[in-house]
Amino acid sequence: QKEVEQNSGPLSVPEGAIASLNCTYSDRGSQSFFWYRQYSGKSPELIMSIYSNGDKEDGRFTAQLNKASQYVSLLIRDSQPSDSATYLCALRRAAGNKLTFGGGTRVLVKP
Amino acid sequence: EPEVTQTPSHQVTQMGQEVILRCVPISNHLYFYWYRQILGQKVEFLVSFYNNEISEKSEIFDDQFSVERPDGSNFTLKIRSTKLEDSAMYFCARGEAFFGQGTRLTVV
Repeated sequence: QKEVEQNSGPLSVPEGAIASLNCTYSDRGSQSFFWYRQYSGKSPELIMSIYSNGDKEDGRFTAQLNKASQYVSLLIRDSQPSDSATYLCALRRAAGNKLTFGGGTRVLVKP
Repeated sequence: EPEVTQTPSHQVTQMGQEVILRCVPISNHLYFYWYRQILGQKVEFLVSFYNNEISEKSEIFDDQFSVERPDGSNFTLKIRSTKLEDSAMYFCARGEAFFGQGTRLTVV
């Protein structure tokens, strides 16, 4: 079983719609969870971090965490063509520990 | 101004040669990391630096690799005797929030 699993996509979303991305993980000791956006050939860019069960909203983005079910998700509302990118889920056990990344989900927002 | 600057942005080297990748964080932080991403694959952890010492390293980070902080601010990742499979993007990161723009290493 992969440590962090994401559907590779592509996830095709019409402009203005909601994009829903999921991530499951195997390490129950994981404490911190992160979503990154990565454009082709560029470095990961942190969008959201979440540490507690439940929802966390930041602008058009909402992260959801369920530690019992070992999944974390990201919703992108009012998707824009500029949101077209690969979204990486990452986690770590404790502050200062390494990040473990999933393979990413490619999102295509069509005008 | 980016929080973390990496040089060079692209390096082409012949197999067997040594390369040095550089990272300059704008401000100090306890934790620094090196990651790599082979084209089309996931981001993989290489090594972490805490308080100027290696705190954790992955299985990838074998004797071929070394990291230094030669002047107390810049970080270097040295890859000795490069192999074709070392071709990847190498990212330096300050904490979890700031990744450098990466160095694309191509081994030919």
